[in-house]
Amino acid sequence: DTEVTQTPKHLVMGMTNKKSLKCEQHMGHRAMYWYKQKAKKPPELMFVYSYEKLSINESVPSRFSPECPNSSLLNLHLHALQPEDSALYLCASSQESTGRVRNQPQHFGDGTRLSIL
Amino acid sequence: GNSVTQMEGPVTLSEEAFLTINCTYTATGYPSLFWYVQYPGEGLQLLLKATKADDKGSNKGFEATYRKETTSFHLEKGSVQVSDSAVYFCALRGGSTLGRLYFGRGTQLTVWP
Repeated sequence: DTEVTQTPKHLVMGMTNKKSLKCEQHMGHRAMYWYKQKAKKPPELMFVYSYEKLSINESVPSRFSPECPNSSLLNLHLHALQPEDSALYLCASSQESTGRVRNQPQHFGDGTRLSIL
Repeated sequence: GNSVTQMEGPVTLSEEAFLTINCTYTATGYPSLFWYVQYPGEGLQLLLKATKADDKGSNKGFEATYRKETTSFHLEKGSVQVSDSAVYFCALRGGSTLGRLYFGRGTQLTVWP
């Protein structure tokens, strides 16, 4: 069982809809991540939150809007998406501790499979 | 910069065969190295890790040794099972406080009974 929980597991939406993806972890991790994964490809980093502050935005289009309400929760708000945004969206978390960041693995959820009609 | 190169797949094996998936890396500083596995319809699961040269990570019969001299972290298993069929990703994480993961392309493994 994964310790990072993502909801919903599947989402189908039209290009004019607004929806949100949710991610929750209770491992006390202070870094959280959103990734996009296309079929047969590795995950691509989208956003990184460190101590609830956005620290990396990998030039993601503004139709994707992340939010970190508290240290356990991470949301991804979606609006006016395009068909090419159909993918598996993965959330991950990791511990952050000065000097040992590189030793800490990221723990992934099972993802939300998003289809844009 | 940081990057990971994985052997091309797919890899198809019979049950109980020996598995090697090659992974080499380029990195600044002293990265940690990871293998993740992704089963169909699921997210990525950490399989094993190594944080310094000559460390051996192991889990579920899989092993990988961090070789600084050859910049490699090859995944091995002595006897694969049908249930090992999945996609395997090699990854590295550097020392910055933002600690992003760099993934290889992934290798699809299919094991036949």
